[in-house]
Amino acid sequence: DIQMTQSPPSLSASVGDRVTITCRASQSISSYLNWYQQKPGKAPKLLIYAASSLHSGVPSRFSGSGSGADFTLTISSLQPEDFATYYCQQSYSTPRTFGQGTKVEIK
Amino acid sequence: EVQLVESGGGLIQPGGSLRLSCAASGFTVRSHYMNWVRQAPGKGLEWVSVIHSGGKINYADSVKGRFTISRDTSTNTMYLHMNSLRAEDTAVYHCARERSWGYSGSDYSYMDVWGKGTTVIVSS
Repeated sequence: DIQMTQSPPSLSASVGDRVTITCRASQSISSYLNWYQQKPGKAPKLLIYAASSLHSGVPSRFSGSGSGADFTLTISSLQPEDFATYYCQQSYSTPRTFGQGTKVEIK
Repeated sequence: EVQLVESGGGLIQPGGSLRLSCAASGFTVRSHYMNWVRQAPGKGLEWVSVIHSGGKINYADSVKGRFTISRDTSTNTMYLHMNSLRAEDTAVYHCARERSWGYSGSDYSYMDVWGKGTTVIVSS
């Protein structure tokens, strides 16, 4: 199985900050990498697919980059509604695996 | 409106069985890969099972031999039959539609529609 490792596990940031979350796969997964946002008690929401493609309706302050085994999710200017937990997920092979999550908290 | 609604969760004793349902609207389940993903209390997301549009099925090792995924095209509903339940199966269970995007000869899959989830608690 492919292991996905996110860092950091949590971070504190202020509104307007630029935030970067990284995700590393245990082997190369090309660009088969998705990012999701989840708020407490809610279902996950797709943000980015294929490493860098913005899902419909997602604000342009979210962006993704990377290929192979190393990926990044960037929020260019953190907004109040962005405080949530973010997960990466590989779709290169089955079982689909998720990172352990990065919780973005208010500083 | 494209939507998934789960039901069937509850409190069940260890060793018991439960059937979860995932009712789809706005699209047909047989045309898509459909997944179950669970989240234990305070933990991250864990993929459980998938049924492909062509009928192929995969399971996580943690549930293989105990859980069965299926779909009913007449009611546009997916199911997860759970047997021999354990305390570690306690979680919110979400169903999710998986789509793929073809680009430069590759198909990139992602889960674009999720249900709100149904809670399963395995406890005596």
